Amino acid sequence: DAEITQSPRHKITETGRQVTLACHQTWNHNNMFWYRQDLGHGLRLIHYSYGVQDTNKGEVSDGYSVSRSNTEDLPLTLESAASSQTSVYFCASSESTLTLEQYFGPGTRLTVT
Amino acid sequence: GQNIDQPTEMTATEGAIVQINCTYQTSGFNGLFWYQQHAGEAPTFLSYNVLDGLEEKGRFSSFLSRSKGYSYLLLKELQMKDSASYLCAVNRYGGATNKLIFGTGTLLAVQP
Repeated sequence: DAEITQSPRHKITETGRQVTLACHQTWNHNNMFWYRQDLGHGLRLIHYSYGVQDTNKGEVSDGYSVSRSNTEDLPLTLESAASSQTSVYFCASSESTLTLEQYFGPGTRLTVT
Repeated sequence: GQNIDQPTEMTATEGAIVQINCTYQTSGFNGLFWYQQHAGEAPTFLSYNVLDGLEEKGRFSSFLSRSKGYSYLLLKELQMKDSASYLCAVNRYGGATNKLIFGTGTLLAVQP
């Protein structure tokens, strides 16, 4: 069955380190998204991509970067982790740009100490 | 700007009916989604409304009024497994792209 996976599921890192969170989907969806979820803020969009070599900034993109070299993967990199980036990170993908029904991965819980 | 409001928490009784409201203010409105999220899990799609009116899907129904900037999710015959957060999300068209803007979610507790 097609699916969307994230790794690692849990990560503890130190302030200042570079961290990469992986997202892989097997639906062949062109559209992929990264969100962070924090209490009181709901899901906030970090970066998104509508196809290979396409990346766009969301509302909370500072300190994060993404690259899209193939359809299946959209890794999220924290260039220099900060305690404010402690959060649960969700990756999502969608087939349609118009209706944007998104399918979410299981999430990565990141703690920055 | 854009703003999405939904109640933070609600409590209901097993077997009852509950309505979760969502109001929004946004430009470029292109539909509204409801997602369900159990604790520690990923959000899962429940419904999508782009036209005014009621969409029914089993025990769950979703309503949209574009002129009022208002939607609700109706859950009937509540079960304990319906205890979860319910996320309202607006599909916003801006330039050449569509993006989802999420509310903060409503945590529903179903009691016996």
